[in-house]
Amino acid sequence: SQELEQSPQSLIVQEGKNLTINCTSSKTLYGLYWYKQKYGEGLIFLMMLQKGGEEKSHEKITAKLDEKKQQSSLHITASQPSHAGIYLCGAGVLGSQGNLIFGKGTKLSVKP
Amino acid sequence: NAGVTQTPKFQVLKTGQSMTLQCAQDMNHNSMYWYRQDPGMGLRLIYYSASEGTTDKGEVPNGYNVSRLNKREFSLRLESAAPSQTSVYFCASSESWGRGYSPLHFGNGTRLTVT
Repeated sequence: SQELEQSPQSLIVQEGKNLTINCTSSKTLYGLYWYKQKYGEGLIFLMMLQKGGEEKSHEKITAKLDEKKQQSSLHITASQPSHAGIYLCGAGVLGSQGNLIFGKGTKLSVKP
Repeated sequence: NAGVTQTPKFQVLKTGQSMTLQCAQDMNHNSMYWYRQDPGMGLRLIYYSASEGTTDKGEVPNGYNVSRLNKREFSLRLESAAPSQTSVYFCASSESWGRGYSPLHFGNGTRLTVT
């Protein structure tokens, strides 16, 4: 079973629109990470959340961690074509032996 | 500052051939990892090295071997390639291992096709 579920699987938005991507764990979280991947490239680390209620922002991207719900959300404000790519969440979860597991990713397309 | 460097970037093998994927990091990280990424499956951990001198199996280790050559380098070997090993392979490193408290830094990947 997939321990980290991302939703939606894909998203197409008009440039300038806001959007949210969710990542939900079926197990207790120890650290939640957001990455961005462009086709043919590696994963770029965006931000790390460790405590319940924690919120971090980088430019127009904000991520929050709801520890009770074992869920994180990634919100992009006023999307731009440069935001297009695949967003993956990764987390240390109970039972993962200290290693990160990853969601399957959310493919974001931004229409100019 | 190169970060994590993987070679080669692309490789085509025939079934039964062997090859080694190379990975080096220049961030003085203690832990290193090999993942594979397949459509619909996401990233899955093959092997990891929590610290120099140690290696352990991840979720999908069958058909692979690894060597932590020194603190900087971690290689992945396919002894007898199979079509099921067609994938994109990512090497990653982190400052420390355990409980997910240290972000992973990834290389750009090796695209392997086994015919």
